[in-house]
Amino acid sequence: RKEVEQDPGPFNVPEGATVAFNCTYSNSASQSFFWYRQDCRKEPKLLMSVYSSGNEDGRFTAQLNRASQYISLLIRDSKLSDSATYLCVVETGRRALTFGSGTRLQVQP
Amino acid sequence: DGGITQSPKYLFRKEGQNVTLSCEQNLNHDAMYWYRQDPGQGLRLIYYSQIVNDFQKGDIAEGYSVSREKKESFPLTVTSAQKNPTAFYLCASSIGMRAQYGYTFGSGTRLTVV
Repeated sequence: RKEVEQDPGPFNVPEGATVAFNCTYSNSASQSFFWYRQDCRKEPKLLMSVYSSGNEDGRFTAQLNRASQYISLLIRDSKLSDSATYLCVVETGRRALTFGSGTRLQVQP
Repeated sequence: DGGITQSPKYLFRKEGQNVTLSCEQNLNHDAMYWYRQDPGQGLRLIYYSQIVNDFQKGDIAEGYSVSREKKESFPLTVTSAQKNPTAFYLCASSIGMRAQYGYTFGSGTRLTVV
């Protein structure tokens, strides 16, 4: 089983739609969780950290479910500029982050 | 502005050659990391270093070597022993040793074997 698993997609959604991504992780002792965004042929950029209480940043909401070992990212009112690959990232106890393979989102006009 | 600088942006290697990828940061971060990304795949950890003069192997260290002689610098050498080096190489740094605040990435180096 992979340490961090994501549905690769692609998710094709119309502008204005709400879309949600899930990610599961295998290490129950993991303490830090993040969502990164990666545009084609670019470096990943931190979108948001994920806290136990859940957190929101504008149209983006991240949640953590420790009991089921998954994190989620919800994007409301999708924009064309949201088209990218979203990487689920988990600290797995070895002092380096582990990245999921990414979920590709394509927002269509 | 603080950040991480990777160079070169593109690199072409002949079979049997060693090449070195540069990574420099001026963020005063303690920890630095090298990842490799293949098309359509996630990032895989090559090496990481949490303090000067110390580094640890990641999941795919074979065929690679690193050094950490200065806090600011963490160069990666791709040796001839790495049989399939064509990939996108990303250097990252973090404030804490546990990366609890996430990483800052450089803009990457695309390495191609010719």
